[in-house]
Amino acid sequence: GENVEQHPSTLSVQEGDSAVIKCTYSDSASNYFPWYKQELGKGPQLIIDIRSNVGEKKDQRIAVTLNKTAKHFSLHITETQPEDSAVYFCAATDSWGKLQFGAGTQVVVTP
Amino acid sequence: DAGVIQSPRHEVTEMGQEVTLRCKPISGHDYLFWYRQTMMRGLELLIYFNNNVPIDDSGMPEDRFSAKMPNASFSTLKIQPSEPRDSAVYFCASSLALGGTGNTGELFFGEGSRLTVL
Repeated sequence: GENVEQHPSTLSVQEGDSAVIKCTYSDSASNYFPWYKQELGKGPQLIIDIRSNVGEKKDQRIAVTLNKTAKHFSLHITETQPEDSAVYFCAATDSWGKLQFGAGTQVVVTP
Repeated sequence: DAGVIQSPRHEVTEMGQEVTLRCKPISGHDYLFWYRQTMMRGLELLIYFNNNVPIDDSGMPEDRFSAKMPNASFSTLKIQPSEPRDSAVYFCASSLALGGTGNTGELFFGEGSRLTVL
């Protein structure tokens, strides 16, 4: 089945700096790669996603890149702000279309 | 729509007791998922339903766990008997479709039920 690995597990950045989270997946048939943000005490929420026919997608301060050959994808957050502090999860679809989540990255943005 | 609604938000119980977690998905969503979140294992898919029918329960840890979806607007996850290692946050999520070609498969999560088994 699909296996998604995510790094780093924790990431501390200064406000205004960039943050990068990287994920790898194992199933070459995966074709949908969403990113979820989980704030304290809440459920994860979709923030951006990318499909296998696209290499990069951007939405304001966040962007995702996908390298299908290498089977890895990344989340980039620019000009980080305190409200970006949260746990971020990458995910990839398995052959049935179910999402397999990475272990999560705790991002802390310090003022 | 109010989003996915879960109850209770917090549950503290003693080992051996029965626990029932409840979920109301977003109206019109055909898929309902139950996840468990722990520090050690992250987000684990326990079971999911399509049109009220259980499709994949391979993530259910053991026979002590059961899930039902009697209608399109209600699902339960039951643990009987509960054990301390069941302590976790249990999330319900719903979606219009599974992720894949042509479908977004965006999951909408509830706020979770934090279970503590003493």
